[in-house]
Amino acid sequence: NAGVTQTPKFQVLKTGQSMTLQCAQDMNHEYMSWYRQDPGMGLRLIHYSVGAGITDQGEVPNGYNVSRSTTEDFPLRLLSAAPSQTSVYFCASSQGNTIYFGEGSWLTVV
Amino acid sequence: SQQGEEDPQALSIQEGENATMNCSYKTSINNLQWYRQNSGRGLVHLILIRSNEREKHSGRLRVTLDTSKKSSSLLITASRAADTASYFCATSPGGTSYGKLTFGQGTILTVHP
Repeated sequence: NAGVTQTPKFQVLKTGQSMTLQCAQDMNHEYMSWYRQDPGMGLRLIHYSVGAGITDQGEVPNGYNVSRSTTEDFPLRLLSAAPSQTSVYFCASSQGNTIYFGEGSWLTVV
Repeated sequence: SQQGEEDPQALSIQEGENATMNCSYKTSINNLQWYRQNSGRGLVHLILIRSNEREKHSGRLRVTLDTSKKSSSLLITASRAADTASYFCATSPGGTSYGKLTFGQGTILTVHP
């Protein structure tokens, strides 16, 4: 049972490039979400989904897109990377109140 | 905006001592959770306390909640070097979080052997 799997683990992007962070869960959870973690800022919610085909914005959605075509997958797309998007990104899934996190994706935008 | 403020930001203790971390929040909540994050890893759920509960225990963890003061505390008793990690409180306003939690900034706990 892998839980929540994120790829890639590390990525360096140039300003203006686009990329997709992949997230998959094998627990058949309805709810999935993406957070970013910055030093001294805790985790902030980017986007979340309550089921396949349903997504909504979190606290810091600008510059990111998501889609949820299947229960298992919830990719996060950076449309045009900016240095301010340098961060650690965590995907998470849940069914009730306990959230299960992936191991994180370290993204640097230069 | 960050819902929770945690105190202290960093805590350094010796193995065997107790560690207490505090969390304050701003709006009404349905439940409050504590998570642990080891360096370079994802967050792991520790314990959840509901708004109608005042205290909860899980192994060496004791969590209290004071809704009148909008605050919670996490006590780790008889700490071990393996407890070294960052600890975050997180709140949910609704009955089900739907994966949406508001996190505090965290307390970095270092336990020296």
